[in-house]
Amino acid sequence: AQSVTQPDIHITVSEGASLELRCNYSYGATPYLFWYVQSPGQGLQLLLKYFSGDTLVQGIKGFEAEFKRSQSSFNLRKPSVHWSDAAEYFCAVVGKAGNMLTFGGGTRLMVKP
Amino acid sequence: EAQVTQNPRYLITVTGKKLTVTCSQNMNHEYMSWYRQDPGLGLRQIYYSMNVEVTDKGDVPEGYKVSRKEKRNFPLILESPSPNQTSLYFCASSLSGRPNYGYTFGSGTRLTVV
Repeated sequence: AQSVTQPDIHITVSEGASLELRCNYSYGATPYLFWYVQSPGQGLQLLLKYFSGDTLVQGIKGFEAEFKRSQSSFNLRKPSVHWSDAAEYFCAVVGKAGNMLTFGGGTRLMVKP
Repeated sequence: EAQVTQNPRYLITVTGKKLTVTCSQNMNHEYMSWYRQDPGLGLRQIYYSMNVEVTDKGDVPEGYKVSRKEKRNFPLILESPSPNQTSLYFCASSLSGRPNYGYTFGSGTRLTVV
């Protein structure tokens, strides 16, 4: 069965600082990987996804993520955080033949002025 | 505008009173799914549907029912709600069950069962 772990429940960074949110997955083969963002009171918005090819993927809002097969990780990064990035971030995985998108527990990001 | 619409956005009900949360999409998507979101647990899939009249259980189906009589609608039914079903619910759809098409989420329904 596939699973996703986001080790950090809360992260606080200063505005302008760099950000890295961790995601580890468990799956027998290379899965499809996603990062979603949820702003307060909102639904989920897709930031980026990885299917195959280049292991560094670019997303919206200046985010990027790197797939590392050897570490079963798909960490999300941003070079300079803005106050509007404060939200909850979810990593998700689905197998190539799968019908279920499995989410991690989420990481809540707070941004200090 | 392409979207997934859930209703209601907020619902407070009493234990045992049957309720339905509606979900409708206007993108002609084949795949639809229901998730519940609880603090620290992320989103867990309740049921999904690959197409009309095809539904299957997700990770946490107990206490829920669904139906898919037409492509655009996928209602979530709680026959006898209990307080442990207090949660934030999301409906999602995808062009097919294949993940590369991506998932579009509704804005959520916050349900409180007292």
